[in-house]
Amino acid sequence: SQQGEEDPQALSIQEGENATMNCSYKTSINNLQWYRQNSGRGLVHLILIRSNEREKHSGRLRVTLDTSKKSSSLLITASRAADTASYFCATGLRGGAQKLVFGQGTRLTINP
Amino acid sequence: DAEITQSPRHKITETGRQVTLACHQTWNHNNMFWYRQDLGHGLRLIHYSYGVQDTNKGEVSDGYSVSRSNTEDLPLTLESAASSQTSVYFCASSESFSGSVSSYTFGSGTRLTVV
Repeated sequence: SQQGEEDPQALSIQEGENATMNCSYKTSINNLQWYRQNSGRGLVHLILIRSNEREKHSGRLRVTLDTSKKSSSLLITASRAADTASYFCATGLRGGAQKLVFGQGTRLTINP
Repeated sequence: DAEITQSPRHKITETGRQVTLACHQTWNHNNMFWYRQDLGHGLRLIHYSYGVQDTNKGEVSDGYSVSRSNTEDLPLTLESAASSQTSVYFCASSESFSGSVSSYTFGSGTRLTVV
């Protein structure tokens, strides 16, 4: 079963609006990462947040992590058409294994 | 520049044939991974390796095998291709950190169709 589940599965907004995607997971994590995938391409790493961090910023991206609720959110501010893509959360589990478990992704469409 | 390349980009094969998908990275990463991506399932881990001569099964390893003879390459072999293995396959690599999971660098993917 998937460790991470993104919500919503699909999101469509107007250019310039903010987009928020959520991720829930089931077990204790070492860190949580967000990736972007443009259609027909590989995934690209966006941001990593460690389990002892609560918030992290990178440009127009803001990620929050609530380990008590086992959830994370990705906020993209002032969206652009180029932000149209699928976004995946991935969890790095505690215990030494260096593999990531991916959610099913949120499909984000930015309308001009 | 360092990169991770997959070949071929597209492959059509017949049921029952053996198929090998190539993955080559020049990041000098110890960790390498194979995932498959299907609608409704996201990315699922097939096999992974933490270094030369090390291989491990992921959650969907049946019908697949890998070998790691050097740092740069982790080829994925479908022993006897089945229609259920029609998918997009992604290779990824990452640095090895004790006690932490580092970020992945992904290849562009191989779209495999089994007919």
